[in-house]
Amino acid sequence: GNSVTQMEGPVTLSEEAFLTINCTYTATGYPSLFWYVQYPGEGLQLLLKATKADDKGSNKGFEATYRKETTSFHLEKGSVQVSDSAVYFCALIMNRDDKIIFGKGTRLHILP
Amino acid sequence: NAGVMQNPRHLVRRRGQEARLRCSPMKGHSHVYWYRQLPEEGLKFMVYLQKENIIDESGMPKERFSAEFPKEGPSILRIQQVVRGDSAAYFCASSPRTRGGETQYFGPGTRLLVL
Repeated sequence: GNSVTQMEGPVTLSEEAFLTINCTYTATGYPSLFWYVQYPGEGLQLLLKATKADDKGSNKGFEATYRKETTSFHLEKGSVQVSDSAVYFCALIMNRDDKIIFGKGTRLHILP
Repeated sequence: NAGVMQNPRHLVRRRGQEARLRCSPMKGHSHVYWYRQLPEEGLKFMVYLQKENIIDESGMPKERFSAEFPKEGPSILRIQQVVRGDSAAYFCASSPRTRGGETQYFGPGTRLLVL
């Protein structure tokens, strides 16, 4: 079945460090891909998305590129801030489907 | 604020009681989805509803759980005779949905604790 695998956390970085959170997917077709972020005690916020191969989603300094050849959608940010501390979820949804499939989440801690 | 609204934000129940979770979708959205997040886990799909219809309930436990989205009012996720394993965060999402695969927008969640 369709699934999402992302790197386990927690990931701890110093402020201004470069961030990569790996995400790979398995799907029987061509899904749309998402990164959601969950700040402590809050719900999920859509961070960015990409709907087809080679698309790059970007928002708030975060980027991810839909790589069909490696079935990946890695999240990157050039310089993280303390306020980026949160749990990040990679997810997919198949075209014409109604359920999002989530990875287990990666907890990110940014130290000042 | 036209975002997805959920209430209550926190709910405490004793084993055997009923829990009712409410969700109002974003303005203009007629499709609602419920997900459950167990501690240290990702979200798992439970059910997808349109007004007065359950479209996909493949993720719902077979017993004690039910959902509705009436013509008027919010969507309700109902858990009867709660057990400790029901303790989780329950998130509602909504979308305008025209053909499937659209972005879903999430509410803040209801955190259920069963004592």
